[in-house]
This record gives sequence, structure tokens and C-alpha cells, in this order.
Amino acid sequence: ETGVTQTPRHLVMGMTNKKSLKCEQHLGHNAMYWYKQSAKKPLELMFVYSLEERVENNSVPSRFSPECPNSSHLFLHLHTLQPEDSALYLCASSQEWTGQETQYFGPGTRLLVL
Amino acid sequence: GQQLNQSPQSMFIQEGEDVSMNCTSSSIFNTWLWYKQDPGEGPVLLIALYKAGELTSNGRLTAQFGITRKDSFLNISASIPSDVGIYFCAGRPNAGNNRKLIWGLGTSLAVNP
Repeated sequence: ETGVTQTPRHLVMGMTNKKSLKCEQHLGHNAMYWYKQSAKKPLELMFVYSLEERVENNSVPSRFSPECPNSSHLFLHLHTLQPEDSALYLCASSQEWTGQETQYFGPGTRLLVL
Repeated sequence: GQQLNQSPQSMFIQEGEDVSMNCTSSSIFNTWLWYKQDPGEGPVLLIALYKAGELTSNGRLTAQFGITRKDSFLNISASIPSDVGIYFCAGRPNAGNNRKLIWGLGTSLAVNP
């Protein structure tokens, strides 16, 4: 595997379900990100982990819970979501403190909440 | 939240034509990035710009970091059908949170063979 991978690629869940999204980066980066992409809106940064420590939490509801067990893996745990949470969830990684931090994205998980 | 003004919103062109799109900001940026997103995929980095006035090419793509540091453009020459997709600009403001990219809403490109 190369780059940034995400699983599952598609997910349908009910509002009472609990599910997790997984991201893995194979680039040796030290920072990982979760974004939400909805139609007609710019990409919304949700969480940032730097060296496995959460450094950003942009007013995301508590029904989204991130976890970063090591610098290569990132999870987004989902619980009692709402239909408006349906979107494409993108994971990205970057190498911080280089002066030229560029984010590389995974293919995303298309989430539908019924 | 803050966003970039990206234009045009959409373009429908004939194969072989050149394409130009741009992004503007009300504040100074120290980084401009251009991404392309295909349906069902994540954004793929096309070109990264780090200095005002910088002009960088990637095959048929050319992007420039505006001298004012408040804008950037992307040109595609001699378009082909596989250029179809959504092109996003993203920038990093000079002040404030260095981790946070500000994104445009995208330019949707359709190419008629």
C-alpha cells in the first residue's frame, strides 16, 4: 500500500449505530487530519493530530470521537449520528515543521446516515 | 469560517482548449496549493507554491503565487478528457494557525471530446 488509505470506502448507518472509520498513512508523516466534505461547502477541518497528540478540535460534536494510536493510524469513531452528518470524510497526512507542509489525502469514506 | 473566492465555479470546454482558474483571498497567504478531485476520490495535490511570484509547472499545468500574496491562478493547456474533475485551491494564511488550510469551493471542469 502506498500513500493514504481509508476504510471502508462506503458506509451506511442508522442513527443509533456505532461505527469507526480507519485511516492509514504510508508516507512516514508526523501529522494526520480528519476533514468533512459536504456539497456546496469548503472542506471542513475536524481534527488534527501531531505526533499522536490532538492539537486541533474545530468545534466538532462529541458524536465524533477521533483516536490516533500511532503516527501511521487514525480512527474516527461515530456514535448516534444525524442525517446531516452524511458526507465524504477525508483523512490526510503531512510532515510538519518542514516549512513546506503539504497535505496528502486518502480516497475518503462516503457516509450515509439514515 | 474563512474561505477563498475561487472562480469560475464551473467550466465546460472543448478538448484542446486552454483553461484558467483563480483564487483570491482578503488576507496574505504564505502557501498556495492546487488539488484535483475525481468523483469518489480524495483530492490529489497538483502544484504547491511557497513564494510570492513563484511560477511552477507540472506537465500541462502551470500555477502562480500572486505577487500580492492574496491570489493564485492555475492554467491547464491543451485540455484532454481526463482533465475532467473538480479543482480546488487551498492556502495557508500568513497569520494565525499554521496547520489550518483555507479552501475554495472548487471549479468543476467538463471537457467535451
